[in-house]
Amino acid sequence: KNQVEQSPQSLIILEGKNCTLQCNYTVSPFSNLRWYKQDTGRGPVSLTIMTFSENTKSNGRYTATLDADTKQSSLHITASQLSDSASYICVVSAYTNAGKSTFGDGTTLTVKP
Amino acid sequence: SQTIHQWPATLVQPVGSPLSLECTVEGTSNPNLYWYRQAAGRGLQLLFYSIGIDQISSEVPQNLSASRPQDRQFILSSKKLLLSDSGFYLCAWGVPGTATYEQYFGPGTRLTVT
Repeated sequence: KNQVEQSPQSLIILEGKNCTLQCNYTVSPFSNLRWYKQDTGRGPVSLTIMTFSENTKSNGRYTATLDADTKQSSLHITASQLSDSASYICVVSAYTNAGKSTFGDGTTLTVKP
Repeated sequence: SQTIHQWPATLVQPVGSPLSLECTVEGTSNPNLYWYRQAAGRGLQLLFYSIGIDQISSEVPQNLSASRPQDRQFILSSKKLLLSDSGFYLCAWGVPGTATYEQYFGPGTRLTVT
């Protein structure tokens, strides 16, 4: 069964600090891994997409890494801002006709001043 | 550019009443379309996906149904709502045949069944 597990479930950090979110998956055959940011009451917005051959991808202060051998990914946020407070969702897709994906439950990040 | 619309944004319905949520996509043709539900503090659960008109697959047995009467229109329905149908419903679209399977989400509908 395809699964995506994220840790920690929630995280509180001070503004300006860095943090790293983790994602472990068991999805086969692996196609790609995506990180989304979801603000409260809004739809998720894509941050990064990585295929099998990519091991790092950056989007501003967000940097995602992928280790396809250990089936792990991390999302590193640098110099956090209050607007980074959100849920961060790891999504892994297998090769299928409709691109069905397996979603993690997300990590809720709270950035405090 | 492509845009995705969902309505209504919020909805409060009594138990046993019918439901119809609508999602439309602009600026693309023959998209893959998806309906998700998100319970409070939980991850997204895929309810239905569609790769074309009248081609709909259900992922989870439930009280809901979906239809795709037009290429870029996706409707989520129920004949009689249950309390457990409360949640945040998200529609998404994706480009078929792409390697990344990127999905683009709508703004969502907050449904409260009372």
